Amino acid sequence: GNSVTQMEGPVTLSEEAFLTINCTYTATGYPSLFWYVQYPGEGLQLLLKATKADDKGSNKGFEATYRKETTSFHLEKGSVQVSDSAVYFCALSDRGNQFYFGTGTSLTVIP
Amino acid sequence: DTEVTQTPKHLVMGMTNKKSLKCEQHMGHRAMYWYKQKAKKPPELMFVYSYEKLSINESVPSRFSPECPNSSLLNLHLHALQPEDSALYLCASSQEAGTIDYGYTFGSGTRLTVV
Repeated sequence: GNSVTQMEGPVTLSEEAFLTINCTYTATGYPSLFWYVQYPGEGLQLLLKATKADDKGSNKGFEATYRKETTSFHLEKGSVQVSDSAVYFCALSDRGNQFYFGTGTSLTVIP
Repeated sequence: DTEVTQTPKHLVMGMTNKKSLKCEQHMGHRAMYWYKQKAKKPPELMFVYSYEKLSINESVPSRFSPECPNSSLLNLHLHALQPEDSALYLCASSQEAGTIDYGYTFGSGTRLTVV
């Protein structure tokens, strides 16, 4: 079956620190991979995506590369800001009717 | 218009009340979804509508009743809820149910409290 495993949180970083949130997946076929971000009290926003192996998704300084050989899609940012504090969800779609979400990783960035 | 709009943002209801949640999108998306999200958990799929027809019901109790009056609107009718149904209810849409390479667009959600 399909599943996504994210690193446990919460993660606390100082401003301008480097961020990595690990995500690995299990899927049949060739899924698309996504990172969503949820700010406090809000819905989920698509942060970035990749639809095939070796694709790199990027947005707002965040990047993730679709690695088929390691079944991974780790989220990285070189210098986090206080405004990046949120919950980050890794997800996959198998081109069916739904997403499979990871459990979410809470990030707090302190000044 | 690239948004999914959900109303109301907050709702408090008693266990004997009947209320409805509303979701609207004008992006021409033909698939719409209801998700339930408990605190510190990922969203859980409840229902999928494709071309205004219910295509997936994830064994949701009958006290939740979805409705899709047209391609832009999705409602969730609530009746005789329990306190454990308190959660953030998220609506989402995508271009087609079977081709979601572009991802979902989520609304901001309705925070429901059942008292």
